[in-house]
Amino acid sequence: QVHLVQSGAEVKKPGASVKVSCKASGYTFTNYYMHWVRQAPGQGLEWMGVINPSGDNTNYAPRFQGRLTMTRDTPTNKVYMELSSLRSEDTAVYFCAREAMGGGNFWKAYDMWGQGTMVTVSS
Amino acid sequence: DIQMTQSPSSVSASVGDRVTITCRASQGISSWLAWYQQKPGKAPKLLIYTTSTLQSGVPSRFSGSGSATDFTLTISSLEPEDFATYYCQQANSLPTFGQGTRLEIK
Repeated sequence: QVHLVQSGAEVKKPGASVKVSCKASGYTFTNYYMHWVRQAPGQGLEWMGVINPSGDNTNYAPRFQGRLTMTRDTPTNKVYMELSSLRSEDTAVYFCAREAMGGGNFWKAYDMWGQGTMVTVSS
Repeated sequence: DIQMTQSPSSVSASVGDRVTITCRASQGISSWLAWYQQKPGKAPKLLIYTTSTLQSGVPSRFSGSGSATDFTLTISSLEPEDFATYYCQQANSLPTFGQGTRLEIK
């Protein structure tokens, strides 16, 4: 069974960095792109970026360029999302989400999600 | 960025009702439109992708349609478990989501 399990909640001070992990199981890790989406309290969903676990190439939303880094560790089937220079507006639940695929095609939608990691930025 | 505008922002309905939610893109997105359901404290759940393809395991009372800039999600007969927030998402360019539609019990 496919699972995405994320690391636990974090509390950070403004200016610090946070690194959230997402461990995949139940499928071939390198076959599926992994995205990160965040949701501020009471707000909607915001796409942050994507990593290809096979080739380690990434694509980030412009608003996060320069302070977002996504990496992967294939032996442990984990992807990581690190956000630096945190500010209060970064307080949100962060989700990893697998891009759906079938018949060799990627469907640009997310069929499996992690449980979410709450990141609180507060002085 | 492509802006996605959902309407209504919230809707009240009863079990058994037919409900339609609309999503409009600020420019054409071909068929790269997905719909998600989210319940409080939970991750979103994929319902439909590529405008009208039902995700495996999703009940057939959910359906999607549309093209270019205008898309709809229809729930043909509401069940109690359908009361949730729904989001559309485009992926013709860098992905963006609609602001959400909250479906409440009347």
